[in-house]
Amino acid sequence: EAAVTQSPRNKVAVTGGKVTLSCNQTNNHNNMYWYRQDTGHGLRLIHYSYGAGSTEKGDIPDGYKASRPSQENFSLILELATPSQTSVYFCASGDGGQGFTEVFFGKGTRLTVV
Amino acid sequence: GEQVEQRPPHLSVREGDSAVITCTYTDPNSYYFFWYKQEPGASLQLLMKVFSSTEINEGQGFTVLLNKKDTRLSLNLTAAHPGDSAAYFCAVSANTGANTGKLTFGHGTILRVHP
Repeated sequence: EAAVTQSPRNKVAVTGGKVTLSCNQTNNHNNMYWYRQDTGHGLRLIHYSYGAGSTEKGDIPDGYKASRPSQENFSLILELATPSQTSVYFCASGDGGQGFTEVFFGKGTRLTVV
Repeated sequence: GEQVEQRPPHLSVREGDSAVITCTYTDPNSYYFFWYKQEPGASLQLLMKVFSSTEINEGQGFTVLLNKKDTRLSLNLTAAHPGDSAAYFCAVSANTGANTGKLTFGHGTILRVHP
């Protein structure tokens, strides 16, 4: 089973502060993703990456940056956190090969911006 | 872009009854389809992945039907039990190769199975 580890699992941040959510995967997957989950919206894609040094905008990138310094690590950065970014954030990884690829999710980070 | 509508948002059934959750999607070129189960406070657990070429897929206690003509995907739990109580999400990937992990999710269905 693929392992995707997120840290922290819970975070309370103040409005205007900087927040960094971290994700680590040990399966040598090329692709990594950040989603947020809100009641009534399902999961929505924020940023994703095809490999070390690569970041791409997803469907809702505004207010977020991403960083992929290595194959294993993918961070989501909120430079100026706002209460509207209170949500549960999920990181995921997939091998990105040709044909079908399965995506594996981490356990999530609950972020509250006060 | 792709949009996925999932119905119903809430579903309550008695143990032993069937439960049906349906998703409709907008991109007729969608190629991969997924059903995830999420228990409270937990991550997403993949129930089944479906290729666009296969219309009926059976798992343990459930069946997934894909109707490409109507761009509809359904999950049918044939004899629900309390352990099936959870949130269920469909997800669609309209891309192939390296982009298949870019998923568009339905809004979810909260299923409650009563003894």
